[in-house]
Amino acid sequence: DAGITQSPRHKVTETGTPVTLRCHQTENHRYMYWYRQDPGHGLRLIHYSYGVKDTDKGEVSDGYSVSRSKTEDFLLTLESATSSQTSVYFCAISVGQVVNSPLHFGNGTRLTVT
Amino acid sequence: GIQVEQSPPDLILQEGANSTLRCNFSDSVNNLQWFHQNPWGQLINLFYIPSGTKQNGRLSATTVATERYSLLYISSSQTTDSGVYFCAVVPNSGGSNYKLTFGKGTLLTVNP
Repeated sequence: DAGITQSPRHKVTETGTPVTLRCHQTENHRYMYWYRQDPGHGLRLIHYSYGVKDTDKGEVSDGYSVSRSKTEDFLLTLESATSSQTSVYFCAISVGQVVNSPLHFGNGTRLTVT
Repeated sequence: GIQVEQSPPDLILQEGANSTLRCNFSDSVNNLQWFHQNPWGQLINLFYIPSGTKQNGRLSATTVATERYSLLYISSSQTTDSGVYFCAVVPNSGGSNYKLTFGKGTLLTVNP
């Protein structure tokens, strides 16, 4: 267990509303990631962080922003949710002090945009 | 980009049987990981294995980097082994976990 907690676990929201998902870790790991998982597309990287206030875009970053003001928290924000953002969102961390370390995932957040 | 192919796409076993899952990749890699996604959606890291062989209980994995494949062995399968097994790689040219590319997975069903 890499000490990753995602919240909320489930959320239903309306198109056009802002949504923030939280990823919290308890073990002070440097590298954190947000993925989305969709049928037919597998797991795709949205954004990642390599330290406090250090973030960068992944493969599918349009419509998403992130923030990392503390080592333990990595927030994913949908500024104006759309139906295409209905998905399961996973936070992950590299368990180790180098980026190429085993990747461990949180339990996911199922987001539905109506 | 790098291509990751997993086979078979689906596999049905009786409890107690052994199985081998394969992951082929199209370029040299410096990072290869195996994951299990259980029927409740949890993703569990099984192995970090860019080369060589590792064992963890009934599971073992071997990566032959020079031939661009990895194998995941499951022995004496149990119903709790059911789920999707993903292989993910980072190409040598790609650098890090930021560029982890996932295969489409093997769906394993273990019947009692």
